[in-house]
Amino acid sequence: ETGVTQSPTHLIKTRGQQVTLRCSSQSGHNTVSWYQQALGQGPQFIFQYYREEENGRGNFPPRFSGLQFPNYSSELNVNALELDDSALYLCASSSGQQPYEQYFGPGTRLTVT
Amino acid sequence: RKEVEQDPGPFNVPEGATVAFNCTYSNSASQSFFWYRQDCRKEPKLLMSVYSSGNEDGRFTAQLNRASQYISLLIRDSKLSDSATYLCVVNFPTDSWGKLQFGAGTQVVVTP
Repeated sequence: ETGVTQSPTHLIKTRGQQVTLRCSSQSGHNTVSWYQQALGQGPQFIFQYYREEENGRGNFPPRFSGLQFPNYSSELNVNALELDDSALYLCASSSGQQPYEQYFGPGTRLTVT
Repeated sequence: RKEVEQDPGPFNVPEGATVAFNCTYSNSASQSFFWYRQDCRKEPKLLMSVYSSGNEDGRFTAQLNRASQYISLLIRDSKLSDSATYLCVVNFPTDSWGKLQFGAGTQVVVTP
C-alpha cells in the first residue's frame, strides 16, 4: 500500500451543500495534489499544495478550495455542490525530489443528489 | 481536442499474447511521460516512466515518439493480472512540480 489515506470512503450529499474531504500524505512527502475522476474518465487535476501553499490549480471554479497543514495532510472543500461534482476524488502525495512519482490514496467517492 | 487522448478499448487479449496501444498528446512542450495502471474502482498506480530512448520493465516496454507526439505501451506474455485500465499521463508543459494530465485510459482484458 502507498501509505496515503483518505476519508471518508464514501459520501452522499445533496445539491447546494458543502463537503470536506481529507487526505494524509505518505511519510516524508511534502506535496499533495488533488484530482477529480468522473466515471469513465481519467483523473483531472484540481490543485496542488506544497508546504501549506497552493502551488498551481487546474480548470476548477473557486468553490473548490483546499488547505495543507504543517504535517502535510490536506483538505479539499467544495461549496455549493452540483450534481456534476459526483465523482471519485483522489489525492496523491509526492516529494520535492520526485514530484512526478505520485502515490495515490484510495479516493473518496462523492455522490451528489 | 483533449490534451491526452487514448483508445478506450477494450483490448481483449488471450493469456500469453502481446498487446500494444498508444496515446497521443497535444502539447509539444510536455517533457515528462508516464503510464499508470488503474484496477476497477481502485486508485491509479505508477507503472513506469517513459524515457526518450524507450525503456523496459520486465514484460512492459514503453516508447516515446516526440516527432509524432505519442507514447506507447507494449505488454508481452500477458497475464490475467494485467487486466486493468492503463492511463497515459503527461506533465503540464509549463510545470516542473508534478502537475499531471491524464488520458481517459485504455482498458485491457486478458482472457484465459
